[in-house]
Amino acid sequence: RKEVEQDPGPFNVPEGATVAFNCTYSNSASQSFFWYRQDCRKEPKLLMSVYSSGNEDGRFTAQLNRASQYISLLIRDSKLSDSATYLCVVNTLLDMRFGAGTRLTVKP
Amino acid sequence: EAGVVQSPRYKIIEKKQPVAFWCNPISGHNTLYWYRQNLGQGPELLIRYENEEAVDDSQLPKDRFSAERLKGVDSTLKIQPAELGDSAVYLCASSLVRTGEGYEQYFGPGTRLTVT
Repeated sequence: RKEVEQDPGPFNVPEGATVAFNCTYSNSASQSFFWYRQDCRKEPKLLMSVYSSGNEDGRFTAQLNRASQYISLLIRDSKLSDSATYLCVVNTLLDMRFGAGTRLTVKP
Repeated sequence: EAGVVQSPRYKIIEKKQPVAFWCNPISGHNTLYWYRQNLGQGPELLIRYENEEAVDDSQLPKDRFSAERLKGVDSTLKIQPAELGDSAVYLCASSLVRTGEGYEQYFGPGTRLTVT
Protein backbone atom coordinates (compact mmCIF):
# COMPACT_ATOMS: atom_id res chain seq x y z
CA ARG A 1 0.00 0.00 0.00
CA LYS A 2 1.31 3.42 -0.92
CA GLU A 3 1.84 5.87 1.93
CA VAL A 4 -0.27 8.52 0.24
CA GLU A 5 -3.04 7.56 -2.13
CA GLN A 6 -5.28 9.76 -4.20
CA ASP A 7 -8.32 9.28 -6.36
CA PRO A 8 -6.79 8.26 -9.69
CA GLY A 9 -9.01 10.46 -11.84
CA PRO A 10 -9.22 11.87 -14.34
CA PHE A 11 -12.17 13.97 -13.35
CA ASN A 12 -13.96 15.64 -16.26
CA VAL A 13 -16.56 18.13 -15.08
CA PRO A 14 -18.54 20.98 -16.65
CA GLU A 15 -17.99 24.57 -15.67
CA GLY A 16 -19.84 25.44 -12.49
CA ALA A 17 -19.76 21.92 -11.11
CA THR A 18 -18.63 21.00 -7.63
CA VAL A 19 -15.90 18.40 -7.45
CA ALA A 20 -14.21 16.69 -4.51
CA PHE A 21 -10.90 14.87 -4.23
CA ASN A 22 -9.81 12.58 -1.45
CA CYS A 23 -6.36 11.61 -0.29
CA THR A 24 -5.63 8.87 2.25
CA TYR A 25 -2.42 8.42 4.19
CA SER A 26 -1.04 5.47 6.10
CA ASN A 27 1.28 7.07 8.66
CA SER A 28 -0.68 8.00 11.76
CA ALA A 29 2.24 10.20 12.87
CA SER A 30 1.62 12.58 9.97
CA GLN A 31 1.48 16.14 11.19
CA SER A 32 0.98 18.56 8.35
CA PHE A 33 -0.96 18.42 5.16
CA PHE A 34 -1.13 20.44 1.98
CA TRP A 35 -2.77 20.56 -1.39
CA TYR A 36 -0.63 21.57 -4.35
CA ARG A 37 -1.70 22.33 -7.87
CA GLN A 38 0.41 21.37 -10.87
CA ASP A 39 -0.30 22.58 -14.37
CA CYS A 40 0.90 20.55 -17.34
CA ARG A 41 4.70 20.71 -17.64
CA LYS A 42 4.92 23.18 -14.78
CA GLU A 43 6.13 22.93 -11.21
CA PRO A 44 3.78 22.25 -8.27
CA LYS A 45 2.45 25.32 -6.55
CA LEU A 46 0.96 25.49 -3.10
CA LEU A 47 -2.81 25.72 -3.23
CA MET A 48 -3.59 25.58 0.46
CA SER A 49 -2.58 24.11 3.77
CA VAL A 50 -5.00 21.77 5.49
CA TYR A 51 -5.77 22.53 9.11
CA SER A 52 -7.38 20.28 11.67
CA SER A 53 -10.44 22.48 11.86
CA GLY A 54 -10.82 22.61 8.11
CA ASN A 55 -10.24 25.72 6.09
CA GLU A 56 -11.69 27.57 3.17
CA ASP A 57 -10.17 29.84 0.56
CA GLY A 58 -12.74 31.22 -1.82
CA ARG A 59 -14.15 28.33 -3.83
CA PHE A 60 -11.76 25.83 -2.26
CA THR A 61 -12.38 23.96 0.99
CA ALA A 62 -9.93 21.55 2.60
CA GLN A 63 -10.81 19.08 5.33
CA LEU A 64 -8.74 16.78 7.50
CA ASN A 65 -10.03 13.64 9.16
CA ARG A 66 -7.30 12.30 11.42
CA ALA A 67 -9.34 9.38 12.69
CA SER A 68 -9.84 8.02 9.20
CA GLN A 69 -6.54 9.38 7.95
CA TYR A 70 -7.70 11.26 4.94
CA ILE A 71 -7.80 14.78 3.62
CA SER A 72 -10.15 16.20 1.07
CA LEU A 73 -10.36 19.12 -1.31
CA LEU A 74 -13.66 20.53 -2.49
CA ILE A 75 -13.86 22.90 -5.43
CA ARG A 76 -17.12 24.75 -5.92
CA ASP A 77 -18.26 26.53 -9.07
CA SER A 78 -15.45 25.04 -11.16
CA LYS A 79 -13.71 27.30 -13.66
CA LEU A 80 -11.90 26.34 -16.84
CA SER A 81 -8.74 27.62 -15.16
CA ASP A 82 -9.09 24.99 -12.42
CA SER A 83 -8.00 22.33 -14.91
CA ALA A 84 -4.78 20.91 -13.46
CA THR A 85 -3.41 18.03 -11.42
CA TYR A 86 -3.99 18.29 -7.69
CA LEU A 87 -1.36 16.75 -5.44
CA CYS A 88 -1.76 16.06 -1.76
CA VAL A 89 1.27 16.23 0.51
CA VAL A 90 1.53 14.52 3.88
CA ASN A 91 4.41 15.31 6.22
CA THR A 92 5.79 13.90 9.42
CA LEU A 93 8.72 15.39 11.32
CA LEU A 94 11.04 13.06 9.46
CA ASP A 95 9.40 12.49 6.13
CA MET A 96 7.23 13.95 3.44
CA ARG A 97 5.23 12.24 0.75
CA PHE A 98 3.40 13.42 -2.31
CA GLY A 99 0.45 11.60 -3.74
CA ALA A 100 0.46 10.73 -7.43
CA GLY A 101 -2.06 13.45 -8.11
CA THR A 102 -5.60 13.67 -9.43
CA ARG A 103 -6.13 15.22 -12.81
CA LEU A 104 -9.06 17.56 -13.23
CA THR A 105 -10.39 18.84 -16.54
CA VAL A 106 -13.14 21.45 -16.46
CA LYS A 107 -15.01 21.71 -19.75
CA PRO A 108 -17.16 24.53 -21.12
CA GLU B 1 11.17 38.44 -4.76
CA ALA B 2 12.89 35.91 -7.02
CA GLY B 3 11.66 32.36 -6.83
CA VAL B 4 13.64 29.15 -6.88
CA VAL B 5 15.98 29.17 -9.85
CA GLN B 6 17.06 26.02 -11.64
CA SER B 7 19.29 25.38 -14.60
CA PRO B 8 19.37 24.03 -17.14
CA ARG B 9 15.68 23.79 -17.97
CA TYR B 10 16.22 20.95 -20.43
CA LYS B 11 19.01 18.46 -20.89
CA ILE B 12 19.42 15.63 -23.37
CA ILE B 13 22.32 13.25 -22.88
CA GLU B 14 23.34 9.79 -23.93
CA LYS B 15 23.35 7.02 -21.39
CA LYS B 16 26.52 6.61 -19.37
CA GLN B 17 27.25 10.33 -19.61
CA PRO B 18 27.36 12.55 -16.51
CA VAL B 19 24.91 15.37 -15.90
CA ALA B 20 24.56 18.07 -13.28
CA PHE B 21 21.68 20.26 -12.20
CA TRP B 22 21.91 23.51 -10.29
CA CYS B 23 19.46 25.13 -7.91
CA ASN B 24 19.38 28.47 -6.16
CA PRO B 25 16.69 28.61 -3.48
CA ILE B 26 14.64 31.59 -2.37
CA SER B 27 16.80 33.96 -0.37
CA GLY B 28 16.70 33.14 3.32
CA HIS B 29 15.25 29.67 2.92
CA ASN B 30 17.37 27.31 4.96
CA THR B 31 15.85 24.05 3.72
CA LEU B 32 16.39 22.79 0.20
CA TYR B 33 14.90 19.72 -1.46
CA TRP B 34 15.63 17.78 -4.62
CA TYR B 35 12.79 15.76 -6.11
CA ARG B 36 12.41 13.53 -9.12
CA GLN B 37 9.08 13.40 -10.91
CA ASN B 38 8.19 10.80 -13.47
CA LEU B 39 5.30 11.25 -15.86
CA GLY B 40 1.97 10.68 -14.15
CA GLN B 41 3.52 10.47 -10.70
CA GLY B 42 3.94 12.81 -7.80
CA PRO B 43 7.37 14.21 -6.91
CA GLU B 44 9.63 11.75 -5.09
CA LEU B 45 12.05 13.22 -2.57
CA LEU B 46 15.69 12.45 -3.32
CA ILE B 47 17.45 14.53 -0.68
CA ARG B 48 16.70 17.29 1.80
CA TYR B 49 19.18 19.78 3.20
CA GLU B 50 18.85 21.91 6.28
CA ASN B 51 21.52 24.53 5.75
CA GLU B 52 24.60 22.58 4.68
CA GLU B 53 23.53 19.30 6.23
CA ALA B 54 21.85 16.55 4.26
CA VAL B 55 19.25 15.45 6.81
CA ASP B 56 17.39 12.98 4.59
CA ASP B 57 19.03 11.23 1.66
CA SER B 58 17.43 7.84 2.15
CA GLN B 59 15.84 7.91 -1.31
CA LEU B 60 18.96 9.04 -3.16
CA PRO B 61 20.50 6.25 -5.31
CA LYS B 62 23.97 6.73 -3.96
CA ASP B 63 25.73 4.55 -6.47
CA ARG B 64 25.22 7.12 -9.20
CA PHE B 65 23.65 10.21 -7.64
CA SER B 66 25.40 12.80 -5.54
CA ALA B 67 24.46 16.21 -4.23
CA GLU B 68 26.09 19.05 -2.42
CA ARG B 69 25.17 22.34 -0.78
CA LEU B 70 28.50 23.62 0.32
CA LYS B 71 27.66 27.09 1.63
CA GLY B 72 24.11 26.39 2.65
CA VAL B 73 22.70 28.32 -0.27
CA ASP B 74 22.73 26.90 -3.78
CA SER B 75 23.00 23.22 -4.54
CA THR B 76 23.99 20.85 -7.29
CA LEU B 77 22.67 17.38 -8.04
CA LYS B 78 24.81 15.09 -10.17
CA ILE B 79 24.20 11.81 -11.92
CA GLN B 80 27.14 9.78 -13.09
CA PRO B 81 26.68 7.72 -15.15
CA ALA B 82 23.15 8.39 -16.33
CA GLU B 83 20.85 5.52 -17.23
CA LEU B 84 17.78 5.46 -19.45
CA GLY B 85 15.55 5.19 -16.37
CA ASP B 86 16.85 8.50 -15.06
CA SER B 87 14.77 10.38 -17.62
CA ALA B 88 12.45 12.53 -15.53
CA VAL B 89 11.90 16.07 -14.30
CA TYR B 90 14.21 17.03 -11.46
CA LEU B 91 12.61 19.60 -9.19
CA CYS B 92 14.26 21.73 -6.57
CA ALA B 93 12.24 23.28 -3.78
CA SER B 94 12.99 25.40 -0.74
CA SER B 95 11.24 26.33 2.47
CA LEU B 96 11.87 28.91 5.15
CA VAL B 97 11.95 26.80 8.24
CA ARG B 98 11.01 23.32 9.19
CA THR B 99 8.69 23.22 12.14
CA GLY B 100 6.45 20.66 13.71
CA GLU B 101 3.49 22.45 12.25
CA GLY B 102 4.58 22.04 8.67
CA TYR B 103 6.44 23.96 6.10
CA GLU B 104 5.40 25.34 2.77
CA GLN B 105 7.69 24.46 -0.08
CA TYR B 106 8.27 26.59 -3.14
CA PHE B 107 9.34 24.80 -6.29
CA GLY B 108 11.59 25.80 -9.11
CA PRO B 109 10.59 25.19 -12.75
CA GLY B 110 12.52 21.92 -12.89
CA THR B 111 15.05 20.39 -15.24
CA ARG B 112 13.63 17.99 -17.79
CA LEU B 113 16.24 15.28 -18.36
CA THR B 114 16.11 12.95 -21.33
CA VAL B 115 18.60 10.09 -21.46
CA THR B 116 18.91 8.43 -24.87
